[in-house]
Amino acid sequence: DIVMTQTPLSSPVTLGQPASISCRSSQSLLHSDGHTYFSWLQQRPGQPPRLLIYKISQRFSGVPDRFSGSGAGTEFTLTISRVEAEDVGVYYCMQGSQFPWTFGQGTKVEIK
Amino acid sequence: EVELVASGGGLVKTGGSLRLSCAASGLTFTSAWMSWFRQAPGKGLEWVGLIRSAINGGTRDYPAPVKGRFTISRDDSQSILYLQMNYLQVEDTAVYFCGADLSDNSYPVDYWGQGTLVTVSS
Repeated sequence: DIVMTQTPLSSPVTLGQPASISCRSSQSLLHSDGHTYFSWLQQRPGQPPRLLIYKISQRFSGVPDRFSGSGAGTEFTLTISRVEAEDVGVYYCMQGSQFPWTFGQGTKVEIK
Repeated sequence: EVELVASGGGLVKTGGSLRLSCAASGLTFTSAWMSWFRQAPGKGLEWVGLIRSAINGGTRDYPAPVKGRFTISRDDSQSILYLQMNYLQVEDTAVYFCGADLSDNSYPVDYWGQGTLVTVSS
């Protein structure tokens, strides 16, 4: 199975300041069809997860442009350009390039 | 607006069975690839299984921890996804979420539904 490792596991941030989360996969996520099925999800307290970013850097419908994704191969980053109060929650990376689909441990973003 | 609502959770003894449902609306269910996920209390996310659309063969995939015990099915006429869970163990205790993939582009999951809690006790 592909292991997804996120850092940090906790990220206290100041409102209006940037934040970034890293995710490393134990194998390349480049699929044989040429796509990399790597996503970032946000889970606010008491809510189901919500898709933010897919295929490394594509923002899903309705996602604010302060969220951006980057990376390739086995190293990926989620950046929030200016953190807002509604961004508090746990962020997960996820790979769908190989079965079984796997997730990172989650990174808790909280306001300082 | 896409809406996915899971139901059917509850308390069950080890070795017992439970069937979860996920009612979908606001999407073309027949062409959606549907999945189940779970989240143990205070823990991270785990994929439980996938069922492809009928036009893609309706085939299923499962991870090792549930393979042979859990079965995903779908009723395209009612836009309902099911998860039949047999031989339940304490470690199956979790909130179960259903998910939908409406587009090859944003595979594997576009939308997540509200979950339903399954508690397995010894």
